[in-house]
Amino acid sequence: RKEVEQDPGPFNVPEGATVAFNCTYSNSASQSFFWYRQDCRKEPKLLMSVYSSGNEDGRFTAQLNRASQYISLLIRDSKLSDSATYLCVVNIDGGYQKVTFGTGTKLQVIP
Amino acid sequence: DGGITQSPKYLFRKEGQNVTLSCEQNLNHDAMYWYRQDPGQGLRLIYYSQIVNDFQKGDIAEGYSVSREKKESFPLTVTSAQKNPTAFYLCASSSGQGGMGGYTFGSGTRLTVV
Repeated sequence: RKEVEQDPGPFNVPEGATVAFNCTYSNSASQSFFWYRQDCRKEPKLLMSVYSSGNEDGRFTAQLNRASQYISLLIRDSKLSDSATYLCVVNIDGGYQKVTFGTGTKLQVIP
Repeated sequence: DGGITQSPKYLFRKEGQNVTLSCEQNLNHDAMYWYRQDPGQGLRLIYYSQIVNDFQKGDIAEGYSVSREKKESFPLTVTSAQKNPTAFYLCASSSGQGGMGGYTFGSGTRLTVV
């Protein structure tokens, strides 16, 4: 089993729709979690950290489910500008080396 | 504005040639990293450095070398020993230990073997 797994998509959704992605991780001792956004041929940019209690930033909501070992990202009222690849990132032991990036989920918002 | 600058944006390497990718940050971050991204794969760690004059191998260090003589700079050399160097190379930095506070990435260098 991969350390971090994501559905590659693409998820094709109409503008205004709500879409959710999940990311599963294999190591139950994983300590911190992030969602990054990567536009085509660009660098990843931090979208949000994922806290145990869940967190929300505008139209974006991130949740952590430790029992089932997954994190989720919910995007409400999708905009065309949300089209990108969303990377799940897991820091397994709090150290410098054990940060694992998922392969990403591609989102395409359609007019 | 603070950030990470990578250069060049595009680089072409001939077989058997060493090339060096530049990475400079003015964020005053202690930790710096080099990642490689290939299509359909997640980012893979090449080298990382927690402090000046110290660096550690990542998961795919073979065929690469780095130096950290200054806090601001973390250049990566792709040597002729790296047999499949064509990829998108990303430099990152973080303030917290192990990227706990998240990474800031440079805009990347696309390396192509010709």
